[in-house]
Amino acid sequence: AQSVAQPEDQVNVAEGNPLTVKCTYSVSGNPYLFWYVQYPNRGLQFLLKYITGDNLVKGSYGFEAEFNKSQTSFHLKKPSALVSDSALYFCAVRERYSSASKIIFGSGTRLSIRP
Amino acid sequence: GAVVSQHPSWVICKSGTSVKIECRSLDFQATTMFWYRQFPKQSLMLMATSNEGSKATYEQGVEKDKFLINHASLTLSTLTVTSAHPEDSSFYICSAPRDRGMNTEAFFGQGTRLTVV
Repeated sequence: AQSVAQPEDQVNVAEGNPLTVKCTYSVSGNPYLFWYVQYPNRGLQFLLKYITGDNLVKGSYGFEAEFNKSQTSFHLKKPSALVSDSALYFCAVRERYSSASKIIFGSGTRLSIRP
Repeated sequence: GAVVSQHPSWVICKSGTSVKIECRSLDFQATTMFWYRQFPKQSLMLMATSNEGSKATYEQGVEKDKFLINHASLTLSTLTVTSAHPEDSSFYICSAPRDRGMNTEAFFGQGTRLTVV
C-alpha cells in the first residue's frame, strides 16, 4: 500500500529566505506525487505534481519540487518565501494515475513565514 | 477551470440528528468521488470512495451505516452523517478527479465544518 511521510510538523522561515518542506513516499511501482496547500477552514489547493519526466517540477506561486527516486523523496521548495506562503502543506501520493485511484495524504506541515 | 462545490460550508446540528453534505462537480462529470475527514491540526483521512451507480467503498474503520454515501449522478455525491454525535464533529472534504489522460487532476471542495452539539 502507498504511504507518504512528512517528518516536520512545522517549518519556520524568515521572509525572503529559501524554504524546504520535506516529503518521502512509499509506493509499489511508479509514484504519482502531489503537493497541496490548505488555508484555514478551506479546501485544498493544488500546487504541483510529478507524473513522469523532469525530476524538477515547477508549480503555482513560485513553488517547485524535486523528485528523487533513490531517496524516495519529493521535497517542496521555494527560493524566496513570502509571508502569504504561511499555510498547511500536504504531500500526497497516488498509486495509479487514474481517476479511480485514491490519493493518500501525508500528515501535513505547517509553514510559518515571519516578516 | 474545473470546480468542485461542496455544500454547506458549515453546519451545526443536535446530537442524534442527521446531516447531509453535497459535493458537486460543476463543469465535468465524475464517476468517482472521494470523501475525506480532517480533525483539527491533522491530515486528511480518506473515508470512502463514492462510485456512480454502485456502492461506495469504505476505508477500514469507517462505519458505512453511519456515513451514508450516495452517488446519484455523474455530478453529485452526498455524504449523510446519521445519528450524529459530538465526536463526529470534524471538517469533511470531498474530491472529484477528472480524467484527462496524463493530466488527471483531483479537485477539492471547500470543505464542510460539522459541529454536533
